[in-house]
Amino acid sequence: RKEVEQDPGPFNVPEGATVAFNCTYSNSASQSFFWYRQDCRKEPKLLMSVYSSGNEDGRFTAQLNRASQYISLLIRDSKLSDSATYLCVVNINEGDKIIFGKGTRLHILP
Amino acid sequence: EPEVTQTPSHQVTQMGQEVILRCVPISNHLYFYWYRQILGQKVEFLVSFYNNEISEKSEIFDDQFSVERPDGSNFTLKIRSTKLEDSAMYFCASGPMGQGNQPQHFGDGTRLSIL
Repeated sequence: RKEVEQDPGPFNVPEGATVAFNCTYSNSASQSFFWYRQDCRKEPKLLMSVYSSGNEDGRFTAQLNRASQYISLLIRDSKLSDSATYLCVVNINEGDKIIFGKGTRLHILP
Repeated sequence: EPEVTQTPSHQVTQMGQEVILRCVPISNHLYFYWYRQILGQKVEFLVSFYNNEISEKSEIFDDQFSVERPDGSNFTLKIRSTKLEDSAMYFCASGPMGQGNQPQHFGDGTRLSIL
């Protein structure tokens, strides 16, 4: 099983729709979880951290399920500017190494 | 908003040559990182650096690679005797604390092309 696994997509979604991504991780000792977005040929940018209780930031909601070892990201009322690759990122232990998933590509259609 | 800056934005080098990629982390950050992303593939951790020494490195970071913080502001990645497969985007990142506690801020990368 890969350390961090994501559906590569692409997800083609009409503007205004709701879209959800899942990510699974293999190491049950993983400590910290994040969602980043990456635009084509650009650097990853932090979208949000993922907390055990779940957290929301505007149109974005992140959930963590430790028992099933997956993380989700929900985007409501999607906008054209949401088109990007969404990267699931996991810190495996208390050290500084973080593992990136390959990302899920999202295309918002006008 | 403070940001991580990287130079050059694009580096073209002959195979076998040495290359140095430069980064200026955010000034009050203590942890520094290098990642690479081969075209079409995922972002891969190379190395983390804290208190003037490597704190963690991946299996990719072999003897061909080295990092240095030569002064109070720069953080460099040196690749000796470059190979074709070193062609990738290299991202520098910095953070105020270790990654386990705080997400990292990425520079906009150096595209390295080995000919």
